[in-house]
Amino acid sequence: QSALTQPRSVSGSPGQSVTISCTGTSSDVGGYNYVSWYQQHPGKAPKLMIYDVNKRPSGVPDRFSGSKSGNTASLTISGLQAEDEADYYCCSYAGSWVFGGGTKLTVL
Amino acid sequence: QVQLQESGPGLVKPSQTLSLTCTVSGGSISSGDYYWSWIRQPPGKGLEWIGYIYYSGSTYYNPSLKSRVTISVDTSKNQFSLKLSSVTAADTAVYYCARIVIQLSAVDYWGQGTLVTVSS
Repeated sequence: QSALTQPRSVSGSPGQSVTISCTGTSSDVGGYNYVSWYQQHPGKAPKLMIYDVNKRPSGVPDRFSGSKSGNTASLTISGLQAEDEADYYCCSYAGSWVFGGGTKLTVL
Repeated sequence: QVQLQESGPGLVKPSQTLSLTCTVSGGSISSGDYYWSWIRQPPGKGLEWIGYIYYSGSTYYNPSLKSRVTISVDTSKNQFSLKLSSVTAADTAVYYCARIVIQLSAVDYWGQGTLVTVSS
């Protein structure tokens, strides 16, 4: 299993929207609707933000949304806030699970 | 509220076996709704699945680590454990235990993580 491909970094100003992509193959992202996204602040454990491509767990703001097209999944964060600055990891079921390499979001 | 807590040595010598235990509180490890997993993160790098176990004892291991990994479960203690043999400096990482919700195919609870350093 190869890691899913994410951009190393993205940035945006407060109030703006950013989208983080996660590219896999037909054996993982494209083959299952089991894409999840995790937010990780420095020194902390990851936190589930999106599951099943586009579902939000209770307590996650609706500023966070997920989507998928073909072999690429995306996480969009609208109305950026300072506390959104973190690393974000996608994850896909692929018989087991595989993570993306992670994307550092900087809020300018 | 479910809590997971890793425990074990923070320093392991090269070629030795890394051993960690995860204690689950606030919920039963014997629930059929979850897999119990180990995930690691080398300093400054991304997340890597190590493997997972079902309460019945069935396991899945990352193929890249399979020859060195053993995950076991002790339902009487509500714990599961990781053993990684023949460690090298490349195994230095923060090790997380985590709960996978099978129906969601996602991790809903993580331990706080424990740093294990491989060094002589």
